[in-house]
Amino acid sequence: EIVMTQSPATLSVSPGERATLSCRASQSVSSNLAWYLQKPGQAPRLLIYGASTRATGIPARFSGSGSGTEFTLTISSLQSEDFAVYYCQQYNNWPYTFGQGTKLEIK
Amino acid sequence: EVQLVESGGGLVKPGGSLRLSCAASGFTFSSYSMNWVRQAPGKGLEWVSSISSSSNYIYYADSVQGRFTISRDNAKNSLYLQMNSLSADDTAVYYCARDGGRAVAGTIDYWGQGTLVTVPS
Repeated sequence: EIVMTQSPATLSVSPGERATLSCRASQSVSSNLAWYLQKPGQAPRLLIYGASTRATGIPARFSGSGSGTEFTLTISSLQSEDFAVYYCQQYNNWPYTFGQGTKLEIK
Repeated sequence: EVQLVESGGGLVKPGGSLRLSCAASGFTFSSYSMNWVRQAPGKGLEWVSSISSSSNYIYYADSVQGRFTISRDNAKNSLYLQMNSLSADDTAVYYCARDGGRAVAGTIDYWGQGTLVTVPS
């Protein structure tokens, strides 16, 4: 099983600033990496797939990068609605696995 | 509009069984792989099981292999999860989730609202 490790566990950032979230895979997942956002009491929402492609309707302030084992999600200018928990997920090998999540909170 | 509506959750005794259902609408159900993903209270996401559009390919997480069975009825636009030998570790919100398909196969583009399964310790 591929283990996905996200860092940091919690990130405190002020609105309007940039946030950078990391995700590391225990073995290469190529570019088969997705990012999701989850707000309290809601189901997750797909943000990024293929490591760097924004899903339908996702604003341009969200960008993804990386390949192999190291990945990054960057939010260029944080809006109030962006404060939530973010998960990475690999879909290169079954079982598909998620990271443990990064909570992005208001500083 | 894509809709996924789960049902069948509830309180069950350790060792008991439960069958979850998911009613899909707003898309051609028979063209998409489907998944169950769970989330224990206050915890992260865990992929439980996947089934291909024609049920030819089925996968389970090691944690549920041999206890859970995923199935689908394309004529009824429905997805199911039969859960047996339940333990406290299975307590979670269970999400019915649609595979992204084509270029985004392996991701989830639509999720249901989830149904809570509680197994007391």
